[in-house]
Amino acid sequence: AQSVSQHNHHVILSEAASLELGCNYSYGGTVNLFWYVQYPGQHLQLLLKYFSGDPLVKGIKGFEAEFIKSKFSFNLRKPSVQWSDTAEYFCAVTPGGSYIPTFGRGTSLIVHP
Amino acid sequence: SQTIHQWPATLVQPVGSPLSLECTVEGTSNPNLYWYRQAAGRGLQLLFYSVGIGQISSEVPQNLSASRPQDRQFILSSKKLLLSDSGFYLCAWATSTSGGTQYFGPGTRLTVL
Repeated sequence: AQSVSQHNHHVILSEAASLELGCNYSYGGTVNLFWYVQYPGQHLQLLLKYFSGDPLVKGIKGFEAEFIKSKFSFNLRKPSVQWSDTAEYFCAVTPGGSYIPTFGRGTSLIVHP
Repeated sequence: SQTIHQWPATLVQPVGSPLSLECTVEGTSNPNLYWYRQAAGRGLQLLFYSVGIGQISSEVPQNLSASRPQDRQFILSSKKLLLSDSGFYLCAWATSTSGGTQYFGPGTRLTVL
């Protein structure tokens, strides 16, 4: 069975700092990759996704992620975080052709104003 | 547009009591439906999923069961709650062609005392 590792469980940044959250997965075949975000008191929602094509994917609110197949990674980045980015971030992987995702443990991001 | 509802939002139940959590989806037909449990620092644990009426797959053996009596209704149940059943329960839906993209409900916070 595949697994998803998010290396940073808690991240604390000041506004305007750059962000990179790591995500690695273990699955040898084709995968669809996702980042979800859960803002305080809100639904878990899709931030961005990668199915195929350009490995650099742009999502909402200035976030982007890069799929590096050789490293089995899909790291999330944002050049300058804002206080409103405080949230929990989840990486998820779905094998191609499957509808069963595997989620990482999540990363709690706190941004200080 | 599609919407997903869960109720109740919050529930406090004594040990040994029964449980019924309901999830309904509007605006789509024949969705895949999922129940997750979210524990702090442990990510999302897939409990059950369903690809059609009456079709339930269990991912984790436990004290819970699920049913899908209608196309867009998914119910999580227990005959006798345990303390360890406390947690945050999320329902999600996806289409068979969405590549694994999931849409989450607001969740139910269950406390078993």
